[in-house]
Amino acid sequence: DGGITQSPKYLFRKEGQNVTLSCEQNLNHDAMYWYRQDPGQGLRLIYYSQIVNDFQKGDIAEGYSVSREKKESFPLTVTSAQKNPTAFYLCASAGGAGNSPLHFGNGTRLTVT
Amino acid sequence: DAKTTQPPSMDCAEGRAANLPCNHSTISGNEYVYWYRQIHSQGPQYIIHGLKNNETNEMASLIITEDRKSSTLILPHATLRDTAVYYCIVRVGNKAAGNKLTFGGGTRVLVKP
Repeated sequence: DGGITQSPKYLFRKEGQNVTLSCEQNLNHDAMYWYRQDPGQGLRLIYYSQIVNDFQKGDIAEGYSVSREKKESFPLTVTSAQKNPTAFYLCASAGGAGNSPLHFGNGTRLTVT
Repeated sequence: DAKTTQPPSMDCAEGRAANLPCNHSTISGNEYVYWYRQIHSQGPQYIIHGLKNNETNEMASLIITEDRKSSTLILPHATLRDTAVYYCIVRVGNKAAGNKLTFGGGTRVLVKP
């Protein structure tokens, strides 16, 4: 099945630890994205990448880091510098056309205590 | 990207058509209208998008007014599984813009038996 896989679905960490969220896609999409969603809120863009080995900051990049070493993979690291890391994290990808819709994974719910 | 205005919530009856409005009065000529929906605790699901012509697919129809300042998403026969938050988003449809989406609050749609 073609799609976007995020793992794990639920993740628990202690405050002060870095944690890496996985996102893999087999849609052969060039672009990949990370969004964050807080309860009752819309999505906010953290980072995006339009091509391998290149990425740009979104609206709320502070405290996060990403890499794009392979087309299929776009892992997100939530660092200890992120003040409020507990959230629902969503990964998406899009094809090459400028108006291509984004396709989302089913998210990772991160809880930091 | 242009801002959108949607009603915060609406109810509709199972089996009837659901008409979801969206205002985007500041839309530019090169901006597309996209609709997504998000069922609780899942990633957003792409529904449909258009530039100026009406569009239809297996999920829904998109009606865009002639002046492009508003649009309506139509779910022809709402089912209980259509209960979700529906997001209307406008954005420039070119690769240089990064295919980024800016999510607002959306419309919380409750389909009732």
